[in-house]
Amino acid sequence: SAVISQKPSRDICQRGTSLTIQCQVDSQVTMMFWYRQQPGQSLTLIATANQGSEATYESGFVIDKFPISRPNLTFSTLTVSNMSPEDSSIYLCSVVSGHGVNEQFFGPGTRLTVL
Amino acid sequence: QKEVEQDPGPLSVPEGAIVSLNCTYSNSAFQYFMWYRQYSRKGPELLMYTYSSGNKEDGRFTAQVDKSSKYISLFIRDSQPSDSATYLCGMGSNFGNEKLTFGTGTRLTIIP
Repeated sequence: SAVISQKPSRDICQRGTSLTIQCQVDSQVTMMFWYRQQPGQSLTLIATANQGSEATYESGFVIDKFPISRPNLTFSTLTVSNMSPEDSSIYLCSVVSGHGVNEQFFGPGTRLTVL
Repeated sequence: QKEVEQDPGPLSVPEGAIVSLNCTYSNSAFQYFMWYRQYSRKGPELLMYTYSSGNKEDGRFTAQVDKSSKYISLFIRDSQPSDSATYLCGMGSNFGNEKLTFGTGTRLTIIP
């Protein structure tokens, strides 16, 4: 399985500011995803991070609010822009390992609190 | 109606008991199914992956899929306190597009 790291592991931010979360994988992967996990709710897919092109966003999520970069096959960033307390959540990146099996592995998550 | 329903618990069982965790789904397009374990303040850890109806066993864990009933289960035998965690089911419909839909997770506590 891929080893995934995220930075920062947690942060407390002020309303109206932005935070960029980094996701680093120890091997090249084709597919990377960004999820949000709010208390008592299921994991919700924000977008698919596409290498060399714009991310593909799910319904309810827009690029202006959650810009994503994917400069290569091992790295991606998610920015949470103009934050409000409703953005307080755990943000997780995940990857599909490939090799003909679409098992999906998750990073440790970034715990964000917006005051 | 949610695409995936999972009882959030909490579920508490004594050490050594057999645990049964379940999810139902409404989308008949789902083809593959995963179970994740998530400890507090950690990311989800993949436990089991299966894409066919029937049982798949890995150590103390057995994943069961019944596509005709749209019902999946995870059984944990000889449960240990270290199994205390939240268990999430996830499922996908298209092998070329690995978007997963998750249940809300079941919080499990194994009582020593």
